[in-house]
Amino acid sequence: KQEVTQIPAALSVPEGENLVLNCSFTDSAIYNLQWFRQDPGKGLTSLLLIQSSQREQTSGRLNASLDKSSGRSTLYIAASQPGDSATYLCAVTPGNQFYFGTGTSLTVIP
Amino acid sequence: GAVVSQHPSRVICKSGTSVKIECRSLDFQATTMFWYRQFPKQSLMLMATSNEGSKATYEQGVEKDKFLINHASLTLSTLTVTSAHPEDSSFYICSAKKGTGPSSGNTIYFGEGSWLTVV
Repeated sequence: KQEVTQIPAALSVPEGENLVLNCSFTDSAIYNLQWFRQDPGKGLTSLLLIQSSQREQTSGRLNASLDKSSGRSTLYIAASQPGDSATYLCAVTPGNQFYFGTGTSLTVIP
Repeated sequence: GAVVSQHPSRVICKSGTSVKIECRSLDFQATTMFWYRQFPKQSLMLMATSNEGSKATYEQGVEKDKFLINHASLTLSTLTVTSAHPEDSSFYICSAKKGTGPSSGNTIYFGEGSWLTVV
């Protein structure tokens, strides 16, 4: 069964710092990996989706990479802002069902 | 892009009552929808796979008689939590698969989720 792990579980950084969130998964047979943001009491917001044939995706200050063979993905956030404070989830799918990590709770301190 | 709508976004119900959560694909037909649940400080876990016109497939440990899933049309799946108890309080989120071809050709869209509080 696919297991998804995210490290660290929580992270607190001063505003302006660049940071990296890590995601690892046990089964490399995935079709895509997706990063989500979840604000307290809110739903999921999709940030980036990486197809299994891709190595990375970028959107604004966010860059996600995928190394399928090693079962790893990273989410890089440049020049962090207080508004980036949220829980970040990564999820992988072999096609239909998503397997989610437990998330990294990020706090950006003004 | 495709949109999946969930309603209600928040609901509070009394213990022992039933509550229904709707998941709609607004601009595409979804033959398959998925329901997930997230307990506090835990990850989202798949509860069941809902197929239009047939019975849902439940994951191990999920009580099918308690969590009734109906996928009566290509754009609507409903999750009914029957005889709700405080331990059912959770974040419930659905996703819908756009496309019916091989998995690699499909895209799955998530609803915004529904927060259920049972008091």
